Amino acid sequence: QKEVEQDPGPLSVPEGAIVSLNCTYSNSAFQYFMWYRQYSRKGPELLMYTYSSGNKEDGRFTAQVDKSSKYISLFIRDSQPSDSATYLCAMSRAGGSYIPTFGRGTSLIVHP
Amino acid sequence: EPEVTQTPSHQVTQMGQEVILRCVPISNHLYFYWYRQILGQKVEFLVSFYNNEISEKSEIFDDQFSVERPDGSNFTLKIRSTKLEDSAMYFCASSVRQLNEQFFGPGTRLTVL
Repeated sequence: QKEVEQDPGPLSVPEGAIVSLNCTYSNSAFQYFMWYRQYSRKGPELLMYTYSSGNKEDGRFTAQVDKSSKYISLFIRDSQPSDSATYLCAMSRAGGSYIPTFGRGTSLIVHP
Repeated sequence: EPEVTQTPSHQVTQMGQEVILRCVPISNHLYFYWYRQILGQKVEFLVSFYNNEISEKSEIFDDQFSVERPDGSNFTLKIRSTKLEDSAMYFCASSVRQLNEQFFGPGTRLTVL
């Protein structure tokens, strides 16, 4: 089983839809959970960062972590065409170097 | 807004040649990283660098790779003898502290023929 699993998509939704992006993981040592957005031919950009379980909201974005199920989600409300990008989940262990382990990324297309 | 810059944006080289990829991290950042992303695959950690030495490296970062901070601003990744499988996007990143957000550069696309 891979450490971090993420469906590559593509996920195509109409403008205004609520988008749900998900990752599962196998290593219970992961404590820090991140979502990055990557536009074509650009580097990843950190969107959300959470520690341990629970929800975190930032504008139209909500990150959710369920450590008991080893499952994390990113919700995007009122999706816009400018949200079209690849979304990477990443996670790291507490202590040590905090180097993130990335998922493969989910390609999101929001069409007008 | 400060950003990480990388040069060149695209590098084409012949197998067996040496390449140097260059990065200018954000000026007040202390931790520097290299990642690679083979087309269609996940972003993979290569190496982290702090206080002028390697702090961590992955299994990918073997003897053909080296990193250097030759002056106060540049951070370089050298691949001594490139192989076909080294073709990938190489991202540089930097952070203020170890646990802080890593800011990524736009990447260098390396093509080995």
